[in-house]
Amino acid sequence: DIQMTQSPSSLSASVGDRVTITCRASQDISNSLAWYQQKPGKAPNLLLFAASFLQSGVPSRFSGSGSGTDYTLTISSLQPEDFATYHCQQYHTAPLTFGGGTKVEMK
Amino acid sequence: QVQLQESGPGLMKPSETLSLTCSVSGDSVSGYNWSWIRQFPGKELKWIGRIHFSGRTEFNPSLKSRVTMSVDTSKNQFSLRLTSVTAADTAIYYCVRDRLRGSWSNFDYWGQGMLVTVSS
Repeated sequence: DIQMTQSPSSLSASVGDRVTITCRASQDISNSLAWYQQKPGKAPNLLLFAASFLQSGVPSRFSGSGSGTDYTLTISSLQPEDFATYHCQQYHTAPLTFGGGTKVEMK
Repeated sequence: QVQLQESGPGLMKPSETLSLTCSVSGDSVSGYNWSWIRQFPGKELKWIGRIHFSGRTEFNPSLKSRVTMSVDTSKNQFSLRLTSVTAADTAIYYCVRDRLRGSWSNFDYWGQGMLVTVSS
């Protein structure tokens, strides 16, 4: 299985901050990488796919980058509704696997 | 708007067989591939497997011996069956739609999730 390692596992930030979350795959996943946002008690919501493509309806303050094994999710200016847990997922090879999640908390 | 809704038992005893159904509205099950994903209490997400609109299935090898899936196009539903459950199967179970049709995929529509607890 491809292991997905997210860092940090949690972070504290303030409204307006620039936030960066990283995801490292145990092998090259050729940009087959998605990011999800999950709020307490809710299902994950797709933010980006193919590493950098924004899902319809997702605000442009979210962006993604990376290649090979290393990927990044950036929130350019953190908004109150962005406090949540973020997950990465690879879909290059089955079994499909997720990172352990990054919880973004209010400082 | 595509909506998915899981149904099934919330509490089970060890060794029983879990059966969950996902009812789809706003889209036809015949148009996409559909997956099941579970989320453990520690928040880790795990892909269980998927069923193609053709009925073909693919499973996570870690669960393959215990999992079956089926699709009922007349009811616009698909289902998960997991045999011999243990406490380690306690999780929130999500039914989801694969965004891509021709390959492995990410997931663009999710059910609200169903908490399944296995306890004696």
